[in-house]
Amino acid sequence: KNQVEQSPQSLIILEGKNCTLQCNYTVSPFSNLRWYKQDTGRGPVSLTIMTFSENTKSNGRYTATLDADTKQSSLHITASQLSDSASYICVVSFGSPGYKLSFGAGTTVTVRA
Amino acid sequence: GAGVSQSPSNKVTEKGKDVELRCDPISGHTALYWYRQSLGQGLEFLIYFQGNSAPDKSGLPSDRFSAERTGGSVSTLTIQRTQQEDSAVYLCASSSPANGYEQYFGPGTRLTVT
Repeated sequence: KNQVEQSPQSLIILEGKNCTLQCNYTVSPFSNLRWYKQDTGRGPVSLTIMTFSENTKSNGRYTATLDADTKQSSLHITASQLSDSASYICVVSFGSPGYKLSFGAGTTVTVRA
Repeated sequence: GAGVSQSPSNKVTEKGKDVELRCDPISGHTALYWYRQSLGQGLEFLIYFQGNSAPDKSGLPSDRFSAERTGGSVSTLTIQRTQQEDSAVYLCASSSPANGYEQYFGPGTRLTVT
């Protein structure tokens, strides 16, 4: 069973609108949680990294939240742009020294004009 | 180059043939990782190299898969006697303790086994 579950699997939004992606994890011991953006045909690119003690981290129009108690994270995209169309992957780092990553299957976001 | 590079970008091979995939990590990065991304699935860890330490091969799915890293830099992932279920995108990443082991990914090699 995948230890990192993401929802929704895909979504379509209109340019300029906001959206929120969800991530639930069961990975233990937790080291940090990352959100990656993967454009079609490209490798994933890191958006945010949060440790156990952080509950929010922003990168431009992207804001990630983390609730380590409930093991939930979200990624909020504000004022979406066409270039935001991509797969967004939630990744949990575990173990020591934290190099092992458990990946969610991703949420495919399509932004339409 | 500034980032992780991989070659070839696409590879089509016949079932039963061997293939080699290459990864050039970011210069100075001591850690190198190989992942496999199948359609609709999350990335699957294959193997991890760190400096001169013995690699972590715990993710390799079968003995048909092997990888080496020469001189602590370039890495080659070899798949012998390819099967159709090996079709996937193979991603390489590298990292350095200097940046908290943040993994930087290459563009991947799309392997299609016919």
